[in-house]
Amino acid sequence: NAGVTQTPKFQVLKTGQSMTLQCAQDMNHEYMSWYRQDPGMGLRLIHYSVGAGITDQGEVPNGYNVSRSTTEDFPLRLLSAAPSQTSVYFCASSYSGGPREQYFGPGTRLTVT
Amino acid sequence: RKEVEQDPGPFNVPEGATVAFNCTYSNSASQSFFWYRQDCRKEPKLLMSVYSSGNEDGRFTAQLNRASQYISLLIRDSKLSDSATYLCVVNIGTGNQFYFGTGTSLTVIP
Repeated sequence: NAGVTQTPKFQVLKTGQSMTLQCAQDMNHEYMSWYRQDPGMGLRLIHYSVGAGITDQGEVPNGYNVSRSTTEDFPLRLLSAAPSQTSVYFCASSYSGGPREQYFGPGTRLTVT
Repeated sequence: RKEVEQDPGPFNVPEGATVAFNCTYSNSASQSFFWYRQDCRKEPKLLMSVYSSGNEDGRFTAQLNRASQYISLLIRDSKLSDSATYLCVVNIGTGNQFYFGTGTSLTVIP
């Protein structure tokens, strides 16, 4: 199993550009989520999904869109990049319900200039 | 107010030392608790879940105090390989939102 994969590993965008961060998992997990990690802030939940066709907002959803058309994939779209979105983005997946381990992808390091 | 608060450290301890980290959470509806480990520029990985009765995994012991709303992690006989950032994680309500602390940095010195 590849686990959770993310592409790209690194990205530089100019302000106003849009892009999609890709996330895929091969563990048949129902739950998938996106976090951003900034110095001194810890990981903050952006959006999450409990299954195909179901998404919901997390703690910091503004400026990001998600969709979940399949169990495996959960892309994160930046609509119009801003310097405040410079961060490390992690995708995670797990089974749904109760206490459970989240498995994280390797992260995407995004810089917006 | 942050949902989860941790002392960021850094903690610098000699090999073989015992070190303890604490984490407080603000929401009494919190249901599940975890410690994750994150190595520099890597993704977080689960170290251990924290159960109400406390639990131990080798050199690591986790405790939960619901009355005071804090969890702790004790590392005995520290190894160089324990150097990392330790993240406290809390799951609230329906179980779909996880809140992470900012992490506590540990460096074990030879």
